[in-house]
Amino acid sequence: EVELTQSPATLSVSPGETATLSCRASQSVTSNLAWYQQKPGQAPRLLIYSASTRATGIPARFSGSGSGTEFTLTISSLRSEDFAIYFCQQYNNWPPITFGQGTRLEIK
Amino acid sequence: QVLLQESGPGVVKPSETLSLICTVSGVSITDKYWGWIRQGPGKGLEWIGNVFYGGITKYNPSLKSRVTISVDSPKNQFSLTLTSVTAADTAVYYCARVLGTTLYPWFGPWGQGTLVSVSS
Repeated sequence: EVELTQSPATLSVSPGETATLSCRASQSVTSNLAWYQQKPGQAPRLLIYSASTRATGIPARFSGSGSGTEFTLTISSLRSEDFAIYFCQQYNNWPPITFGQGTRLEIK
Repeated sequence: QVLLQESGPGVVKPSETLSLICTVSGVSITDKYWGWIRQGPGKGLEWIGNVFYGGITKYNPSLKSRVTISVDSPKNQFSLTLTSVTAADTAVYYCARVLGTTLYPWFGPWGQGTLVSVSS
């Protein structure tokens, strides 16, 4: 089973600044990694797939990068609606499909 | 617009069977793969399994002995059955459309989720 470790657990950033979230895989997942945003009481929303491709309707301030075992989600020019929990998911070596434990992005 | 809605009992007794239905609108269920994911209280996301309208399924090995996912094409629904539940199965259960391919799947959109509590 591929374990995904997200860091930091909580990230405090001011609106207008840039947030950088990390996801590390226990073994290579090539580029088969997705990112999701989850707000309180809501379902996760797909942001990024194939490590760096934005899903339909996702603003350009969200960008993904990385391959193999190291991945980054970067959110630039943070807006109030961006403060949420972010999960990564790998779909390279499965079953099982696995998710990271999440990074909470909070307002500084 | 593809929409998914979970339905089912909010409380299930220990050792009994949890059954949920996901109703899909905006697309034919024969169009793609579909999946179930759950999220325990204060926990992360756990993938349960995927189903293709042809009946092909993939399950999480940790749940495989207790899980069945199936498709009801005429009703444009798919379902989840989890047997012999315990308190550890208490979670918000989400259904989702599987994107990508059968080999490389990710999820979107998701239903709003339904909380299932295992309690006597």
